[in-house]
Amino acid sequence: SQQGEEDPQALSIQEGENATMNCSYKTSINNLQWYRQNSGRGLVHLILIRSNEREKHSGRLRVTLDTSKKSSSLLITASRAADTASYFCATDPVWNQGGKLIFGQGTELSVKP
Amino acid sequence: EPEVTQTPSHQVTQMGQEVILRCVPISNHLYFYWYRQILGQKVEFLVSFYNNEISEKSEIFDDQFSVERPDGSNFTLKIRSTKLEDSAMYFCASTERTAQTFGSGTRLTVV
Repeated sequence: SQQGEEDPQALSIQEGENATMNCSYKTSINNLQWYRQNSGRGLVHLILIRSNEREKHSGRLRVTLDTSKKSSSLLITASRAADTASYFCATDPVWNQGGKLIFGQGTELSVKP
Repeated sequence: EPEVTQTPSHQVTQMGQEVILRCVPISNHLYFYWYRQILGQKVEFLVSFYNNEISEKSEIFDDQFSVERPDGSNFTLKIRSTKLEDSAMYFCASTERTAQTFGSGTRLTVV
C-alpha cells in the first residue's frame, strides 16, 4: 500500500444521507488534508487536521484522525447532489523536505437526488 | 478570495515539442509546487520551489522538466521535449505555510 489510501474507491448515496470516507497512511505525519475535485477540475482544499488533533469540524464536514492507527475519516453530513465529486486525502509526512503533499487514490462520491 | 491562476486551461502539443505551463501563485505565498494527475489516477508530486530554488523533486521530474520564477509573480513549468505519457492534468499550488491552494489546472494533451 502507498501513503494515503482511501476507501471506499466509490460511494453512491441518496441526498440527505451521510457519507463517510476513510484514509490510511504509512508514515508519521505533520498533518493530513482533505481535498475535493469535481470532474476534470482543480483541487479544492476542504480541511486540515494536525497530528496533535483528533477531530475537526467545518460546516457539514467532520474529520477525525487516529495517529495510532494511521487513519483518518471524512464525514459529510446531510449530503447534497452538489457534493458529488472525488475526495482525496493528502498527507504531509514528517520527513518532508519541501512540504509536498502525498495524495491517495481518492473516493468517488455520487449523491443521487 | 485569493486564488492560484493557471494558463492555458488546455494545451495540445505534438510529441517532441516544448511546452511551458504558467502559474500565478497567491502573492504572499512563499512555497510553490507542481503536481500532475494522469487521467483516472491520483495526484503526483513533481517539484517544490522555495526561495528561488528547487527544494525537492520527484523521480518523475527528470531532465526534461524545469521550473522557473522569472519575475515576482509567475511560476512556470517547462517540458523540453514532450512524450505521449506526459499527457495529464498539471496543477500548480502555493502555500504560505501548510494548506496548499491549487490552481484549476492545465490539461496537456500530447499527440
